[in-house]
Order: sequence, then C-alpha cells, then structure tokens
Amino acid sequence: SYVLTQPPSVSVAPGETARIPCGGYNIGTKSVHWYQQRPRQAPVLVIYEDTNRPAGLPDRFSGSNSGNTATLTISRVEAGDEADYYCQVWDISSDQKFFGGGTQLTVL
Amino acid sequence: VQLVESGGGLVQPGRSLRLSCAASGFTFDEYVINWVRQAPGKGLEWVSSMTWSRGKTYYADSVQGRFTMSGDIAKNSVYLQMDTLRPEDTALYYCAKSRSLAGSSPFDYWGQGTLVTVSS
Repeated sequence: SYVLTQPPSVSVAPGETARIPCGGYNIGTKSVHWYQQRPRQAPVLVIYEDTNRPAGLPDRFSGSNSGNTATLTISRVEAGDEADYYCQVWDISSDQKFFGGGTQLTVL
Repeated sequence: VQLVESGGGLVQPGRSLRLSCAASGFTFDEYVINWVRQAPGKGLEWVSSMTWSRGKTYYADSVQGRFTMSGDIAKNSVYLQMDTLRPEDTALYYCAKSRSLAGSSPFDYWGQGTLVTVSS
C-alpha cells in the first residue's frame, strides 16, 4: 500500500495563488497526476506526469514534484476553480494505483 | 471518446452485481481501462485495472478475490463482476480510460458513473 496525504481544505482569495500539496514517501520518484472534481461531476485530469497540462487547460494550472511532496499550483484563482482536487500515482512494486484523500479548494 | 457505465442498483450484502462500461471513440484493447469508485461524500478509490491486450488485471486490496474485471472486444465493453458484496462497497463506480498502456499513465477520460448500493 502507498499512502498519499493531502490537506482536507485550502482557501484562497480570488486572484491569489493556491498551492495544494500531496505528500508521499519518495513521491519525487513517481509520476503524479492531478484531478479536479466539481460537485456532482466526474473527475477531470488537470495535470499529468508531474507537470504536464492536457490540451485546452489554462496555464494557470501547474505542477511540481520533488522529494516527498508533489504540489498542484493554481495561479490567479477564479471562482470556477472551486472543486475537490486529488493527486494519484501508480506504485510499481504492487502494480496498484492510489489516490490522495482529496483537497477541497474554497475561493473566498 | 465516450464511456458509459451501467448495471448499478440496490443489492443485498453477500449478493453479486455486474457492471458494464461501453466504450466508443477508441478501441479499449489499446489502453488500460480502470474502475474507480467514490463512496457517498468520500474521496476517490481505485478499484481495478485491465490491460486486455496483455491479459492482465489488477485489483485494490479491498476487492481482491471478490471482484473480477473482464472485457469483450467485439462489443468494445469492459465489465466488473462484483461478488460477495459488502455495505462498504456502496459507491458511485466510474469507468476510466488511461492515456496509454503504461501502468503509470493517467486517467484521461471518465464516464459519469453508475451507483451501487449494498444494503439489506
């Protein structure tokens, strides 16, 4: 089993920068993906392989990964960014996939 | 690309249920296909993955031995056979396509989910 730890909530004012951490042992050696889930909707991929954005996603979304923490950064936060965000990895030793517990982003 | 799940419903503990995921816009044997669930008010939990072309399936510890994933290439559909269901299996079950055949690839397309409720 591989544990990913996220804070339950992060709050930020519109126009500010939100940083959502995802902690895991040596997570810097793994490929981390991030998903956004708005209420009553299916998740949407927002960052893959640590730093890559899917086509069409605003460049306000970025990611980093080093050591024991991966981070999703959302710049110039907008009201529409309010959602739950999940990190996810694949653990090669068990051939299993794991999600973090999710972080609820609130735009004040 | 579209994924449409079906087969959810209310089932008693200990009984079985089979979920289906109909894929369109791509051929599922070229990608990893996954099931991910979300209990009411809770986070996402990976359930299983299948690489049909390699004959490989993988399961979370919580469902290992009770759930079986399979596919029908002619129907471009995948299935999740769920046996010996428990109340804690109650969740919205999503079918999700991976970006490639690599285990590390992300889930790039998701269905809308099918709800499974295990209760007496």
